[in-house]
Amino acid sequence: EPEVTQTPSHQVTQMGQEVILRCVPISNHLYFYWYRQILGQKVEFLVSFYNNEISEKSEIFDDQFSVERPDGSNFTLKIRSTKLEDSAMYFCASKSGTGMETQYFGPGTRLLVL
Amino acid sequence: RKEVEQDPGPFNVPEGATVAFNCTYSNSASQSFFWYRQDCRKEPKLLMSVYSSGNEDGRFTAQLNRASQYISLLIRDSKLSDSATYLCAVNRWNSGGSNYKLTFGKGTLLTVNP
Repeated sequence: EPEVTQTPSHQVTQMGQEVILRCVPISNHLYFYWYRQILGQKVEFLVSFYNNEISEKSEIFDDQFSVERPDGSNFTLKIRSTKLEDSAMYFCASKSGTGMETQYFGPGTRLLVL
Repeated sequence: RKEVEQDPGPFNVPEGATVAFNCTYSNSASQSFFWYRQDCRKEPKLLMSVYSSGNEDGRFTAQLNRASQYISLLIRDSKLSDSATYLCAVNRWNSGGSNYKLTFGKGTLLTVNP
């Protein structure tokens, strides 16, 4: 069964450093998402991406965040200057089409900012 | 009012018990509804979509009441392997009309005891 994959599984970084989280969505999917989950809290929407542009972003997704689909397979989330409060689990998700199809989640990257 | 609210839990039940989870949503524009299961430190995995007429999948039954903006999940004959956090999620078209995004509740932790 096709899966969304994410790398790395864990990342530890110093405050102020840049991090790039990588995702490979399911191959025929067209819509891509990033969500995050701070420990003990709910899963929160960050951004959605379609046709090589952001289609929606949340208030959390400020100027420190960016997303890119540099090639036909990878979908990346960059945090330019990490803060302590960016420590969370970051999930990538993808779905196939324009309707109410299921979003499939990757296993996540656990980011710890020290 | 939070966009998606769930029973705070946690629920501790013996094997074989029937357990019910409740969820309310505030945005009447919400268009599709899901129950996800999340194991500790793992990604959300789709358990079932929730249809207007209600739907059943083995021991799991989901109901939707659009008038009351209420979703439920019933697990019958619970197993040890059902122990997880159950997340309610609602999906709606974004304001730009280009995409759906999922909004999650905080989740309800279920522990099934031998």
